[in-house]
Amino acid sequence: QKEVEQDPGPLSVPEGAIVSLNCTYSNSAFQYFMWYRQYSRKGPELLMYTYSSGNKEDGRFTAQVDKSSKYISLFIRDSQPSDSATYLCAMSEGNTPLVFGKGTRLSVIA
Amino acid sequence: DVKVTQSSRYLVKRTGEKVFLECVQDMDHENMFWYRQDPGLGLRLIYFSYDVKMKEKGDIPEGYSVSREKKERFSLILESASTNQTSMYLCASSLMAGASTDTQYFGPGTRLTVL
Repeated sequence: QKEVEQDPGPLSVPEGAIVSLNCTYSNSAFQYFMWYRQYSRKGPELLMYTYSSGNKEDGRFTAQVDKSSKYISLFIRDSQPSDSATYLCAMSEGNTPLVFGKGTRLSVIA
Repeated sequence: DVKVTQSSRYLVKRTGEKVFLECVQDMDHENMFWYRQDPGLGLRLIYFSYDVKMKEKGDIPEGYSVSREKKERFSLILESASTNQTSMYLCASSLMAGASTDTQYFGPGTRLTVL
């Protein structure tokens, strides 16, 4: 079993839809959870950062962590064509390198 | 703004050639990383460095070496390129040494093709 599992998609939604992106993991020592966004032909950039369990909101984006289920989610409200990108989850124990998911490719259709 | 630059966007090399990929960051970051990104396999860590002249192996170091002679520059070396090293190579940096939770800033990537 891979340490971090992420459905690669592709996921295609109409503009304005609510998008849910998810990752599961097996290492219960992970405490730091991140979402990176990668546009085509660019490097990833940090989108959201969460420590331990709970929710974090930033504009149209909400990150959720459920450590009991080893499951993290990223929600995008009122999705826009500019949200079309690959979304990578990443996580760490805190003293070890980040472990990335494979990324989910999202297309938001106008 | 943090800027991470990579020496080439596209590179084509022949099997057996020695290949150098250069990465430079301009924000005095302690950590630097080299990843490769392949369809279906995601981002995989090759090597990282938390200080000048220091290096640590990542998940897939075989066939690669690195050099960090100056704080701002981190080089990835393919001693004898092979076709299975055809990939997108991404460099990243982060502020604090050893703190893997710091935001990583990525360069635009180098698409390497080995023929």
